Amino acid sequence: RKEVEQDPGPFNVPEGATVAFNCTYSNSASQSFFWYRQDCRKEPKLLMSVYSSGNEDGRFTAQLNRASQYISLLIRDSKLSDSATYLCVVNSPGNQFYFGTGTSLTVIP
Amino acid sequence: GAVVSQHPSRVICKSGTSVKIECRSLDFQATTMFWYRQFPKKSLMLMATSNEGSKATYEQGVEKDKFLINHASLTLSTLTVTSAHPEDSSFYICSARGPRLADFYNEQFFGPGTRLTVL
Repeated sequence: RKEVEQDPGPFNVPEGATVAFNCTYSNSASQSFFWYRQDCRKEPKLLMSVYSSGNEDGRFTAQLNRASQYISLLIRDSKLSDSATYLCVVNSPGNQFYFGTGTSLTVIP
Repeated sequence: GAVVSQHPSRVICKSGTSVKIECRSLDFQATTMFWYRQFPKKSLMLMATSNEGSKATYEQGVEKDKFLINHASLTLSTLTVTSAHPEDSSFYICSARGPRLADFYNEQFFGPGTRLTVL
């Protein structure tokens, strides 16, 4: 079983839509969780960390469900500029970072 | 914020030559750096974890004699692709972990990547 699993998509949504991505992880002792954004032919950039209590940054909301071992990312009021690949990253107790395969999002005018 | 640079950004070389890629943390000391490669439309694949002053830990299937990693200082790690072949053409990305005790210890900061093309 993979350490981190993510639906690769693609997700094609109209501008203004709300879209949600989930990511599951296998190691229940994982400690830190992140969402990264990667634009085509660019390096990943940190979008937001995911805290146990859930956190929000503008149109983006990240949540962690330890019982079910998944993290989620919700994007409200999608913009064209949100089109990218979204990677979930899990930091295991062995200090290893595990990446999901990424979810491709295209926001359509 | 923490910045990681990578050099060169793009390299084209002939088959059989060796290519060195540098990864530097510019404003923080990184005891751990990671090297990834990424093929078009594929996910990042971790190649190795590099700890300052010790040997790199390679992922399964990555040849350590082909991909030489040196992490000689707290701000610099290098990846050398030896005797490069066309199948080594890829996007190589390094990242650096924040220093221990720092708020951002559990974050990774990525370099801009190096696009290698082997003819």
